[in-house]
Amino acid sequence: SQQGEEDPQALSIQEGENATMNCSYKTSINNLQWYRQNSGRGLVHLILIRSNEREKHSGRLRVTLDTSKKSSSLLITASRAADTASYFCATDAWDYKLSFGAGTTVTVRA
Amino acid sequence: DGGITQSPKYLFRKEGQNVTLSCEQNLNHDAMYWYRQDPGQGLRLIYYSQIVNDFQKGDIAEGYSVSREKKESFPLTVTSAQKNPTAFYLCASTDTEQETQYFGPGTRLLVL
Repeated sequence: SQQGEEDPQALSIQEGENATMNCSYKTSINNLQWYRQNSGRGLVHLILIRSNEREKHSGRLRVTLDTSKKSSSLLITASRAADTASYFCATDAWDYKLSFGAGTTVTVRA
Repeated sequence: DGGITQSPKYLFRKEGQNVTLSCEQNLNHDAMYWYRQDPGQGLRLIYYSQIVNDFQKGDIAEGYSVSREKKESFPLTVTSAQKNPTAFYLCASTDTEQETQYFGPGTRLLVL
């Protein structure tokens, strides 16, 4: 079952701007992960945040997690054309199976 | 180079035919997964295997079968019982200590 739901479904921004996307989920989780998928390719892991963490950074990525609201956000700062992709959140409920959302498609305009 | 390979990149199935998608990994990962992705949608879990000679159904296993005879290999067969097989199929594996999944490049299955 798809537990995560991303918002918005699509996002178009100018190069250099920040991109923010959100993910909501339904049940308790062990961790939440974000993946990127370029068109027609496999997914690439970006960042993992555990249920006892509130914020995590990796390069130009910033992830927050609010377990009381069952939501997470992914911020990409200073976006580049190469950031054009679909972004998926995935939740792990202690069973090493991931439940993926439908994704946010991000287009970065030059 | 360590990673996951999937073959073929494109696969055409005739009506009533079974087809097998290959997935091989040299990452020494115990767990492997098969997902289906339809246009504009997320990934749905078909089957997964935590260890050799053992596998479990995911959310959409009907019309699919798998085997896990070797740690490195987790082939997926799309049987004739799967009436709507056109999709992008992704294989993944995970080192349970790291918890993250590593994905192959995918196989696009089309029906003739």
